[in-house]
Amino acid sequence: SQQGEEDPQALSIQEGENATMNCSYKTSINNLQWYRQNSGRGLVHLILIRSNEREKHSGRLRVTLDTSKKSSSLLITASRAADTASYFCAAVAGNMLTFGGGTRLMVKP
Amino acid sequence: DTAVSQTPKYLVTQMGNDKSIKCEQNLGHDTMYWYKQDSKKFLKIMFSYNNKELIINETVPNRFSPKSPDKAHLNLHINSLELGDSAVYFCASSQVTVNSPLHFGNGTRLTVT
Repeated sequence: SQQGEEDPQALSIQEGENATMNCSYKTSINNLQWYRQNSGRGLVHLILIRSNEREKHSGRLRVTLDTSKKSSSLLITASRAADTASYFCAAVAGNMLTFGGGTRLMVKP
Repeated sequence: DTAVSQTPKYLVTQMGNDKSIKCEQNLGHDTMYWYKQDSKKFLKIMFSYNNKELIINETVPNRFSPKSPDKAHLNLHINSLELGDSAVYFCASSQVTVNSPLHFGNGTRLTVT
């Protein structure tokens, strides 16, 4: 079964709006990572949040982690058309990194 | 310049053939991976090597054999290709283990006809 599962599977918003994607996982983790994948390309690492951290920021990205609920969220503020991509969470437990199914984000200009 | 490069980008072949995908990283990372992404975009780990040693070998048919001649290279050889092998295969590397960010290649789209 998927260690990380994303919600929603697809999200369509207007440019300038915020986009929130959620990720749930099943077991205790060392850290949780978020990646972006543009169409036809490899995944690009966005943010890594450790199990003892609750929130992390990087530019327009904000990631939260709630270990009691085994969930994380990725917020993209003031979205741009160029943010259109698939976003994946990846839960790390032991030496295993397991990806969720991804959220397809479309930002309409 | 490319950090993780894999070749070829596209691979179209017939059932029963044997093919290889090559991967090289110039980041000086210790760990390399092969992931398979299916048509629904699910990514599944296949293999992981740390300093040329196999550390993860998920439930993958033994028709798939990784080879790591040195820590900068991890090639994937596939024997007797089947229709179900059609997917995008990604090579990745990380500095130490999965506790550091992964750097991905741009993928090899394998189509088996």
